[in-house]
Amino acid sequence: GAVVSQHPSRVICKSGTSVKIECRSLDFQATTMFWYRQFPKKSLMLMATSNEGSKATYEQGVEKDKFLINHASLTLSTLTVTSAHPEDSSFYICSARDPDRLSSGNTIYFGEGSWLTVV
Amino acid sequence: GENVEQHPSTLSVQEGDSAVIKCTYSDSASNYFPWYKQELGKGPQLIIDIRSNVGEKKDQRIAVTLNKTAKHFSLHITETQPEDSAVYFCAASTGFQKLVFGTGTRLLVSP
Repeated sequence: GAVVSQHPSRVICKSGTSVKIECRSLDFQATTMFWYRQFPKKSLMLMATSNEGSKATYEQGVEKDKFLINHASLTLSTLTVTSAHPEDSSFYICSARDPDRLSSGNTIYFGEGSWLTVV
Repeated sequence: GENVEQHPSTLSVQEGDSAVIKCTYSDSASNYFPWYKQELGKGPQLIIDIRSNVGEKKDQRIAVTLNKTAKHFSLHITETQPEDSAVYFCAASTGFQKLVFGTGTRLLVSP
């Protein structure tokens, strides 16, 4: 099946610094990727929808200047947490829509997630 | 917008028993309903999905049913095994719109 890869799986950064998380679709070209944040024992919270070659669409309440999303190619989207603070510590997960399944729907595959700890 | 409710929040069964997780959705235009399994510390894994043009789909021990009239869909796991223990999320979407997730069900299968 389709594979979505995230890197790094775990990252620790100092407060005030920026950290980048990469999301790659390994065996398909993804025109649309999604970024989620998940708190412990909670559901997935959609942060933004990333479309290749255009600006990301952010959900209400998500700071676009803090969570920079770039979808420069059909296989790569990046999330940069700028000026990170301890409250940004969380599990960040990306997903990608498999276009080969477009004719029959909206199949979306998830990456393995990235644990961010801001100290 | 779409709202998805999921029940139960936790479910404990004995190995070999069946498990059923139910979800309801609010938007009658929703036409795609996937189920994801999430193990601790990992990303969600798509285990089965159903589209609005069918009422039931099976894949080995896993099945999903959809009742469009009542706007609910269910995940059925038969002959549960300890490795089925995880958090399961249902979701719904319309066309190629974003997925709206349920709140998750923590399934515990005891040997």
